[in-house]
Amino acid sequence: AQSVTQLGSHVSVSEGALVLLRCNYSSSVPPYLFWYVQYPNQGLQLLLKYTSAATLVKGINGFEAEFKKSETSFHLTKPSAHMSDAAEYFCAVIEGGAQKLVFGQGTRLTINP
Amino acid sequence: GAVVSQHPSRVICKSGTSVKIECRSLDFQATTMFWYRQFPKQSLMLMATSNEGSKATYEQGVEKDKFLINHASLTLSTLTVTSAHPEDSSFYICSARSGGLETQYFGPGTRLLVL
Repeated sequence: AQSVTQLGSHVSVSEGALVLLRCNYSSSVPPYLFWYVQYPNQGLQLLLKYTSAATLVKGINGFEAEFKKSETSFHLTKPSAHMSDAAEYFCAVIEGGAQKLVFGQGTRLTINP
Repeated sequence: GAVVSQHPSRVICKSGTSVKIECRSLDFQATTMFWYRQFPKQSLMLMATSNEGSKATYEQGVEKDKFLINHASLTLSTLTVTSAHPEDSSFYICSARSGGLETQYFGPGTRLLVL
């Protein structure tokens, strides 16, 4: 069964600094990978997704992620953090043909002024 | 982008009563809808998957007689928490998927508080 591990339940960066949120997956077949963002008391919003096309995926709000098969990773980055980026971020995986999303534990991103 | 709504956004009920939560896809037909539960500061846990016109598939450990799911149309799924108890208090989130697409679109969530 596939799983997702997010390293670091809480990440804190200064405004303007690089954001790096880590995600590793385990899957026996090429996966579909997603990053979602959740603001307080809201549902999830799709940031970006990897579906076996380009390994570098660009998403909304200046975020991007790179699929690295050799490292089984799909880390999320943003060059310059903004205060509005403060939220909970979830990495998720779905195997081709399967229906279910499997979520990581989530990483809370805090932005310091 | 695809929009999914949930109603109500927040509900408070007495222990022993039943609560119905609606999930609607507003601008696309959702052949599959998913119901998740999220406890404070935790990740989303899939409760069940429902396909339009057929019975829902529940995850292990989820009581199907307690959490009734109806996916009566391609734009509406409902979750009914029957005989709710305080331990059922949680944030319930639905998502919807269209056809063979791999992307799920999430509703804004419903916060249930059982007194």
